[in-house]
Amino acid sequence: NAGVTQTPKFQVLKTGQSMTLQCAQDMNHNSMYWYRQDPGMGLRLIYYSASEGTTDKGEVPNGYNVSRLNKREFSLRLESAAPSQTSVYFCASSEAGGGNTIYFGEGSWLTVV
Amino acid sequence: LAKTTQPISMDSYEGQEVNITCSHNNIATNDYITWYQQFPSQGPRFIIQGYKTKVTNEVASLFIPADRKSSTLSLPRVSLSDTAVYYCLVETYGGATNKLIFGTGTLLAVQP
Repeated sequence: NAGVTQTPKFQVLKTGQSMTLQCAQDMNHNSMYWYRQDPGMGLRLIYYSASEGTTDKGEVPNGYNVSRLNKREFSLRLESAAPSQTSVYFCASSEAGGGNTIYFGEGSWLTVV
Repeated sequence: LAKTTQPISMDSYEGQEVNITCSHNNIATNDYITWYQQFPSQGPRFIIQGYKTKVTNEVASLFIPADRKSSTLSLPRVSLSDTAVYYCLVETYGGATNKLIFGTGTLLAVQP
């Protein structure tokens, strides 16, 4: 079972470069999320998508854009990367509505130099 | 969404029982309490969920007092492999919002 798949797993960017993190889930979930986790810190919600065609800001949306391409895929874009965006990024998915189990991907390690 | 408060870290030894308490003073009637576990370099994974009293599964037990303003995750006879960060979430079951906030969690360090 693939579950939630993220690509790339590792990436190094120069300041000002752009890139897109891809995420896909094969569990037919309605809701998808992007979190970031800085070293030694907890998870912070960047954006979420309650259902296909909708996206909403989380705790730390500045500097990011998202696209819910279809029910399976939810991408995160950094238009102009900054060193402060160096972090581990986790994509997740769940059935719609609170209280349902959230399934996470393995993470994408991003370094901005 | 109810705010949660957990200890930042806890230490234990192999074979001991570990109890991690989470405070959620403004929990609402329709809110459930869910705990996740995160190992280093991995995404969090679901451990247990409950509404009131006690819930037990093969991994842990969850104790919730009658007023539901706190909950305690109990890990029996921990091993080194239980070293991880444990997150407490309060969320409205079936609620329209999916704005799930994890917080900083509790780092459990199990020593030999």
